[in-house]
Amino acid sequence: QVHLVQSGAEVKKPGASVRVSCKASGYTFTGHYMHWVRQAPGQGLEWMGWMNPDSGGTDYTENLQGRVIMTRDTSISTAYMELSSLRSDDTAVYYCARSGSADGYIDYWGQGTLVTVSS
Amino acid sequence: DIVMTQSPDSLAVSLGERATINCKSSQSVLYSSNNKNYLAWYQQKPGQPPKLLIYWASTRESGVPDRFSGSGSGTDFTLTISTLQAEDVAVYYCHQYYGARYSFGQGTKLEIK
Repeated sequence: QVHLVQSGAEVKKPGASVRVSCKASGYTFTGHYMHWVRQAPGQGLEWMGWMNPDSGGTDYTENLQGRVIMTRDTSISTAYMELSSLRSDDTAVYYCARSGSADGYIDYWGQGTLVTVSS
Repeated sequence: DIVMTQSPDSLAVSLGERATINCKSSQSVLYSSNNKNYLAWYQQKPGQPPKLLIYWASTRESGVPDRFSGSGSGTDFTLTISTLQAEDVAVYYCHQYYGARYSFGQGTKLEIK
């Protein structure tokens, strides 16, 4: 049974960085791409980027280039998303989600991690 | 990047009636080499992550009730709920996974009339 379990809620000040983790179980971690999707309060879903856990390769949405880094530790089947230079409009629930491949549909989602950016 | 536009933004339907949600992509998501539309639909209820309903535009995910169906090709797609149940109240999103960069529609909020 596939599970994606994310780290807990975070409160950060503007300008700081945050790292969210996503521990995968129930499948071969390196066999499925990991995506990150965020959702601001009361808003829709925004795709942030993907990571190939096998190679470490990544691709990010244009408007987060330079601020987001996606990494992994294959020894513990865990993916990470780090977002830097936080602003108030980065306040959102951040989800990890896996797909079958780079062009595969997203099938499983983590439970979400609320990141609040506030002074 | 591909922009996904859903209509309507919100929808109120009576129990037992049909609900139809539309999704339009700014460019075709039909991959000619395999004749597949790279389009999925998700349901999201408050406080929960999205749940996959439909992929490849019309393939129902295992366990999803058969009152949910997807149709369309190229740039125009539809999610239909044939007979609305109370538990179908949610926000629905279309999603394209054509190419390296994914995107979602803005969502359609479905309520009971």
